[in-house]
Amino acid sequence: DQQVKQNSPSLSVQEGRISILNCDYTNSMFDYFLWYKKYPAEGPTFLISISSIKDKNEDGRFTVFLNKSAKHLSLHIVPSQPGDSAVYFCAALSGNTGKLIFGQGTTLQVKP
Amino acid sequence: DAGVTQSPTHLIKTRGQQVTLRCSPKSGHDTVSWYQQALGQGPQFIFQYYEEEERQRGNFPDRFSGHQFPNYSSELNVNALLLGDSALYLCASSLLKGWGEQFFGPGTRLTVL
Repeated sequence: DQQVKQNSPSLSVQEGRISILNCDYTNSMFDYFLWYKKYPAEGPTFLISISSIKDKNEDGRFTVFLNKSAKHLSLHIVPSQPGDSAVYFCAALSGNTGKLIFGQGTTLQVKP
Repeated sequence: DAGVTQSPTHLIKTRGQQVTLRCSPKSGHDTVSWYQQALGQGPQFIFQYYEEEERQRGNFPDRFSGHQFPNYSSELNVNALLLGDSALYLCASSLLKGWGEQFFGPGTRLTVL
C-alpha cells in the first residue's frame, strides 16, 4: 500500500515558468512533509519542509503548500531554471516513528 | 562542516556473500537512518539507530542488520545476498530521532551478481 503517491512520473516546463509538483498521501498520522531533489549518482538533497500545522512555507524560489483536508501537498518552483532539472521526491513523517515514507518521484525537465 | 559521508561508493558482490556499508553522520547529529532505493523507486526505510540501538525497523528481513558506534557513525550489514538486494543504499542523519529534516549521504551502489 503506497502511503505517499506522486502520480506524475515526469514534468517538462520552459525556463522561467512555474513548475508545480504534486503529492498525495493517505495516512492522517503524517505530521511533517519534506521535498527532496535528487541528481543521478547522488543522494537526495533536502529542499523544503512543512509541518502539518501550517498550510504554506516559502524558501526563495520554492514554496510548499499543504491541504490537509485533501491530503495533498504541492511544490512550486518559480521561476524554473535548467539547473532545477532532477528527480523530486515527496516524503512524509509521523512524529513517533522518525521514518520517512517516500513517493515514487517526479522527473522534472526545465528546457532553456 | 562535512556532510553525511558513506563508503564505499560502489560495491560488487556475488549471491550468498555478505557486505558491510558504512556511514558517518553530519557533525552534531545523533540519529542515523538507512534506506534502500531500487531503480525507479523512492527510498525505502530499512531501520534507524539512536543511542546505539535500533529504534525503528522497516519491512526488511533479518538478513539486514546494523550497528551504531559511540561516535554516532553506523554500519549496515547484509548477509546471504540475493540478486534483489542490488540497489542504492542511502544513509541519512538527523537530530530528534529523525523527526524533522534528514540529510542524506551520496549512497553506496551495491550490485549483486
